[in-house]
Amino acid sequence: DGGITQSPKYLFRKEGQNVTLSCEQNLNHDAMYWYRQDPGQGLRLIYYSQIVNDFQKGDIAEGYSVSREKKESFPLTVTSAQKNPTAFYLCASSMGATGEPQHFGDGTRLSIL
Amino acid sequence: GQQVMQIPQYQHVQEGEDFTTYCNSSTTLSNIQWYKQRPGGHPVFLIQLVKSGEVKKQKRLTFQFGEAKKNSSLHITATQTTDVGTYFCARTSGTYKYIFGTGTRLKVLA
Repeated sequence: DGGITQSPKYLFRKEGQNVTLSCEQNLNHDAMYWYRQDPGQGLRLIYYSQIVNDFQKGDIAEGYSVSREKKESFPLTVTSAQKNPTAFYLCASSMGATGEPQHFGDGTRLSIL
Repeated sequence: GQQVMQIPQYQHVQEGEDFTTYCNSSTTLSNIQWYKQRPGGHPVFLIQLVKSGEVKKQKRLTFQFGEAKKNSSLHITATQTTDVGTYFCARTSGTYKYIFGTGTRLKVLA
């Protein structure tokens, strides 16, 4: 069954700690995305990747880092430089052509301890 | 990026009433997509509109793209409790980047 798998579902971070959120897709999609969603808010783009070994900053990239070593995987690291990391993080993928719909994972809810 | 404004931010309706959310842009859009996010869930793609004046229907949902391609609407006829959630529009920016609207949260009172 094709889809996007995000893990873990819930994550807690201590002050000064880096944490990595996993995102794997088996849809053979070229493009992958990370969004942040705060309570009652819309989706804000953190990073996106069009192809393996290439990625671009979105609107709120500060305090985050990504890698795209494999087509299927696009992990997001929330670094200690991100002072307000508590949010719902959504990973998405798409075929990559203009206007293709995005498919989302179930999300990871990150909280500060 | 160029924002997409959605109104209203919240809407409470009685079950059976109609509901409409609007998406507005100051610039011409190449396309517009609509997504639904159930409470606690993730956004799910509903539809894409591309042509000026386009109207598409999915059962009780009617989607419209304005003639000038600067606005779009989603109308739900006779809402049901299963319609509860947040509805987002999204536009593409360049080839790969998407910009989401602020969303409209719909609550349906039984």
